Amino acid sequence: DGGITQSPKYLFRKEGQNVTLSCEQNLNHDAMYWYRQDPGQGLRLIYYSQIVNDFQKGDIAEGYSVSREKKESFPLTVTSAQKNPTAFYLCASSKGNSPLHFGNGTRLTVT
Amino acid sequence: GQQLNQSPQSMFIQEGEDVSMNCTSSSIFNTWLWYKQDPGEGPVLLIALYKAGELTSNGRLTAQFGITRKDSFLNISASIPSDVGIYFCAGQARNAGNNRKLIWGLGTSLGVNP
Repeated sequence: DGGITQSPKYLFRKEGQNVTLSCEQNLNHDAMYWYRQDPGQGLRLIYYSQIVNDFQKGDIAEGYSVSREKKESFPLTVTSAQKNPTAFYLCASSKGNSPLHFGNGTRLTVT
Repeated sequence: GQQLNQSPQSMFIQEGEDVSMNCTSSSIFNTWLWYKQDPGEGPVLLIALYKAGELTSNGRLTAQFGITRKDSFLNISASIPSDVGIYFCAGQARNAGNNRKLIWGLGTSLGVNP
């Protein structure tokens, strides 16, 4: 079955460490997205990529970095520059302007 | 910036009751989407709307794209315990071009008492 796989489901890190969240899709979608979800704040766009080797900042890109070396993969690195990294991170993909298809998220806790 | 107001913020109903929630925007949209999110999972698309006045059903769910293009409604009939979750609306303004411009509501948390 096609879908989006985010791993790991839960991630714990010490403050000051960079951490990379994985997102893989086998839907043959061109576009991929990273969102952050905090209680009471809805979904906020971090980065998006419409094609391989190209990506754009979203609304809250500071402290994050991404790469898009393969169509199937869009890893997100949360750097030590991100002031409040603890959150639920959602990866999504879409074909053209069709509705987003989401993964099941990674909950990152930084202490 | 563009705003989406989603209401109610939360509701608790008895199993079997109907429920309605809505979203309103400060500007005209050409796409309305409704998603459901279970705890600890990613949102799942329920219904997509693309035309003003459009009324679309998906099982016990019905959603409408408001005539003014500034609102949308989601109705759930005969609720069951598995309807529990957070329901999100998302909209895309006219000429926005792509999903990067999706605007999200803050969600409606639904509880169902069996």
